[in-house]
Amino acid sequence: DTGVSQDPRHKITKRGQNVTFRCDPISEHNRLYWYRQTLGQGPEFLTYFQNEAQLEKSRLLSDRFSAERPKGSFSTLEIQRTEQGDSAMYLCASSFMQTGAETQYFGPGTRLLVL
Amino acid sequence: DAKTTQPPSMDCAEGRAANLPCNHSTISGNEYVYWYRQIHSQGPQYIIHGLKNNETNEMASLIITEDRKSSTLILPHATLRDTAVYYCIVRVGGAAGNKLTFGGGTRVLVKP
Repeated sequence: DTGVSQDPRHKITKRGQNVTFRCDPISEHNRLYWYRQTLGQGPEFLTYFQNEAQLEKSRLLSDRFSAERPKGSFSTLEIQRTEQGDSAMYLCASSFMQTGAETQYFGPGTRLLVL
Repeated sequence: DAKTTQPPSMDCAEGRAANLPCNHSTISGNEYVYWYRQIHSQGPQYIIHGLKNNETNEMASLIITEDRKSSTLILPHATLRDTAVYYCIVRVGGAAGNKLTFGGGTRVLVKP
């Protein structure tokens, strides 16, 4: 399978714990995006990387959230001191930035439940 | 990026064509129209995109009006597996574009 992969697919944690999610993009894709989706809503942008550089962060990304893409390949999203409001689906997408259209391809998501 | 307007829901019959409208009256000349769909509990799936011309691929056809203020996604022969939320998104092309801004989408129910 050469699509975007995410791990884990599901995570249940207790309030106050830290969690880390991993995203492996499509090979050779230079952009990687993180989105969050709560029940009944469309995905909302969190942050994105071009190669190793984190180029934009949403206001949704509080200081408890941190994302990295150390070698320009896989990325991790960490949430510290989780809160019940963090319960959501966390989606990763990757693309190859070029002139013209840039198509993002999404992974299956990581569903987080904070108890 | 321009805002889009879609009907919140629609039903269609299995085997028939499904025509999903989208209004994007404030679209700029360098903005593309993208369609994604999201089947329950899965990540969004890319369907098709276009700039000015009509486009067709193995999944669907995209018809863009001449003034580019609206478009229609056509699923030629809807199946039960096409039941999903369909999102119409406009986004600047090239390096200036980045995030996708999802609206409410259209919840499509394909009925037998």
